[in-house]
Amino acid sequence: AQSVAQPEDQVNVAEGNPLTVKCTYSVSGNPYLFWYVQYPNRGLQFLLKYITGDNLVKGSYGFEAEFNKSQTSFHLKKPSALVSDSALYFCAVRSRSYNTDKLIFGTGTRLQVFP
Amino acid sequence: DTAVSQTPKYLVTQMGNDKSIKCEQNLGHDTMYWYKQDSKKFLKIMFSYNNKELIINETVPNRFSPKSPDKAHLNLHINSLELGDSAVYFCASSQDNRPNTEAFFGQGTRLTVV
Repeated sequence: AQSVAQPEDQVNVAEGNPLTVKCTYSVSGNPYLFWYVQYPNRGLQFLLKYITGDNLVKGSYGFEAEFNKSQTSFHLKKPSALVSDSALYFCAVRSRSYNTDKLIFGTGTRLQVFP
Repeated sequence: DTAVSQTPKYLVTQMGNDKSIKCEQNLGHDTMYWYKQDSKKFLKIMFSYNNKELIINETVPNRFSPKSPDKAHLNLHINSLELGDSAVYFCASSQDNRPNTEAFFGQGTRLTVV
């Protein structure tokens, strides 16, 4: 079965410091991996995805994520955090082995960036 | 010109009532979804339609019935509402149902059953 784990409920970081939000996955076959962000009282916004090719994926708002097949991870990173990055971040996965469009989400990680 | 729009944004109703949430997308996408986000922010898919055809129906009580009159609309009707139905319901769409396509979400409908 497909699953996604986000081991940290909350990540705190000072503005200007680098940030990392962790995600690991479990699928049968090769994965498609996604990151979404949810601001308070808003819907989810797509940030970036890994399909194939370069393991480092760049997305919106200066975020990037690194696909690591051996560690089954897809951690979200940003070199310099902004207070406005404070939000709830979701990792999600689909498997190429299944002819289904079921997107499985992690439990979310709340990012708090302090001034 | 919101891409995926849901109405209403807030819905407060009594147990036992029947209510509907509407969703429309103007992106020309073929696939639409309903997700439920519980109080712990956990997101779970409920239904998925591709070109008006139901393709995913998770283990959702049959009090929940989606309807897709055309591929730009996917409405959710809920009968005999229960306290446990209180949640935020998100509509989403994607270009098609290939697994590499990202979904675009509406702003959500916060349903409170009292």
